[in-house]
Amino acid sequence: AQSVTQPDIHITVSEGASLELRCNYSYGATPYLFWYVQSPGQGLQLLLKYFSGDTLVQGIKGFEAEFKRSQSSFNLRKPSVHWSDAAEYFCAVGAGGSNYKLTFGKGTLLTVNP
Amino acid sequence: GAVVSQHPSWVICKSGTSVKIECRSLDFQATTMFWYRQFPKQSLMLMATSNEGSKATYEQGVEKDKFLINHASLTLSTLTVTSAHPEDSSFYICSASLAGRPETQYFGPGTRLLVL
Repeated sequence: AQSVTQPDIHITVSEGASLELRCNYSYGATPYLFWYVQSPGQGLQLLLKYFSGDTLVQGIKGFEAEFKRSQSSFNLRKPSVHWSDAAEYFCAVGAGGSNYKLTFGKGTLLTVNP
Repeated sequence: GAVVSQHPSWVICKSGTSVKIECRSLDFQATTMFWYRQFPKQSLMLMATSNEGSKATYEQGVEKDKFLINHASLTLSTLTVTSAHPEDSSFYICSASLAGRPETQYFGPGTRLLVL
């Protein structure tokens, strides 16, 4: 069975600083990997996804993530954080098969200081 | 595109009553819809997967008689919490994947349920 670990429960950065959110996964085959963002009381918005090909994927809102098979990682990055980026970030791995079920990490709460 | 809505956005009910939550794909056909439950400051836990026109597949530990799921059309799935109790209070989120594109799920805004 697949699993996802987000080692950082809470990260605080200053506005304008760079950001990296860590994600490690466990899956027997080539995974489908996702990053979602959730604002308080809201649903999830897809930031980016990796299925195959180029290991550096670009997403919305200036985010990018890099798939590193050797490290079983899919870390999310942003060069300059904006106050509006404050939210909960979830990494997820999707299994293949007929339904592509997602398994989520526990999330990383991002606080942005002015 | 790929917008998913949920209704209601929040609901308060008395213990013992049933509550129905709707999940709609507004601009696409969704052959598969998923229902998740999220406790405060926790991750999303998959409850069940529903395919249009067939019975839902429930995850281990989820009571199928308590959480009734119906996926009667390609744009609508419903979750009914039967005989709700305070421990059923939670944030329920649905997602849907496009027909022919099962690998990506699009999420609704969630429904907050409070059972008194």
